[in-house]
Amino acid sequence: GENVEQHPSTLSVQEGDSAVIKCTYSDSASNYFPWYKQELGKRPQLIIDIRSNVGEKKDQRIAVTLNKTAKHFSLHITETQPEDSAVYFCAASLDTGNQFYFGTGTSLTVIP
Amino acid sequence: DTAVSQTPKYLVTQMGNDKSIKCEQNLGHDTMYWYKQDSKKFLKIMFSYNNKELIINETVPNRFSPKSPDKAHLNLHINSLELGDSAVYFCATSFGGTGELFFGEGSRLTVL
Repeated sequence: GENVEQHPSTLSVQEGDSAVIKCTYSDSASNYFPWYKQELGKRPQLIIDIRSNVGEKKDQRIAVTLNKTAKHFSLHITETQPEDSAVYFCAASLDTGNQFYFGTGTSLTVIP
Repeated sequence: DTAVSQTPKYLVTQMGNDKSIKCEQNLGHDTMYWYKQDSKKFLKIMFSYNNKELIINETVPNRFSPKSPDKAHLNLHINSLELGDSAVYFCATSFGGTGELFFGEGSRLTVL
């Protein structure tokens, strides 16, 4: 099955700086890569996703890049704010669906 | 209206007991999931149901049994609870088994 690795496990940045979280996956058949944000005590919620036919996607301060050859994808958050503090999960999914494999999570702290 | 709702939100019980967690969705999605999030925040898929058929069982002990009375509900029954079952259990849904996962608020199970 798919194996998703995520780094770093914890990340602290100063407010206004950028944060980058990286994930690798093992199954070349995976073609959908979402990122979820989970605030303390809350449910995970989708913040951005990318499919394999696209190399980069941006939504305001958040961007995701995908390198299918190297089987890795990254989340970039620019101009970080304290409300960005949360646990972020990457995931990989096969086109056949019904199988979302999550990374181990990155706890991001933005220091005011 | 809450899209994906779980009950109860908190459950404290003794080892050896049997308990159930209920999940209901009003999104009209055809695929429902149960995820377990342990103390290290790892999100592990337990089951998924598509059109009332179990299509994934990720090596979960048979003490856990999902039951779907209809497309809008996926309940989780746990027999002979063990200390290691303590975790937050999330129900989630998606359409077509691909795309965004919508999570419920989670049910925190504590086994004493």
